[in-house]
Amino acid sequence: GQQLNQSPQSMFIQEGEDVSMNCTSSSIFNTWLWYKQDPGEGPVLLIALYKAGELTSNGRLTAQFGITRKDSFLNISASIPSDVGIYFCAGRGISGGGADGLTFGKGTHLIIQP
Amino acid sequence: DAGVIQSPRHEVTEMGQEVTLRCKPISGHNSLFWYRQTMMRGLELLIYFNNNVPIDDSGMPEDRFSAKMPNASFSTLKIQPSEPRDSAVYFCASSLGGTQETQYFGPGTRLLVL
Repeated sequence: GQQLNQSPQSMFIQEGEDVSMNCTSSSIFNTWLWYKQDPGEGPVLLIALYKAGELTSNGRLTAQFGITRKDSFLNISASIPSDVGIYFCAGRGISGGGADGLTFGKGTHLIIQP
Repeated sequence: DAGVIQSPRHEVTEMGQEVTLRCKPISGHNSLFWYRQTMMRGLELLIYFNNNVPIDDSGMPEDRFSAKMPNASFSTLKIQPSEPRDSAVYFCASSLGGTQETQYFGPGTRLLVL
């Protein structure tokens, strides 16, 4: 099946710093999604990307759909304590239309020190 | 919108018992997904439905797992008999479907099999 490599696995940063994480795939994806999961909750969608090269922002978050269609990046600017959580990338490959399931990365654990 | 509703939120049972997890998708969504999350394996897609019909159940671990969607507003995931290795968080997600879907997750059911 499709594999997603998400890095880094964890990040320990100071409040106010910028954060960068990325996902790479061995195959082409036509959709990239970034989710955040707080402790005890389900993942919540942050940003959705549908076109190669697309750059989309949501407040302090910016995500890009890589030109090769095999990678995506998520940046968080000026981190704050509530940014703490697990960030997941998810992709959907080119396997036809319909409600295909997503492939998820293993997640990036973000820990912020005040 | 109430979002995806899952019940129970927590379940503790003994090995060998039957476990039934329930999900109510967002009204109007025609695709429903069941995921399992563990520390070791991350988020794994178990099965998904489109218009109440199971499309892909290749992620279902074994015959002890079964899922049904009798109507557009209800789905169940059943484990019979349960085993300790089934302990995980089980998420249900729903989406509008189509080629550019966004999945919305429920809060999850935390299952512990003793």
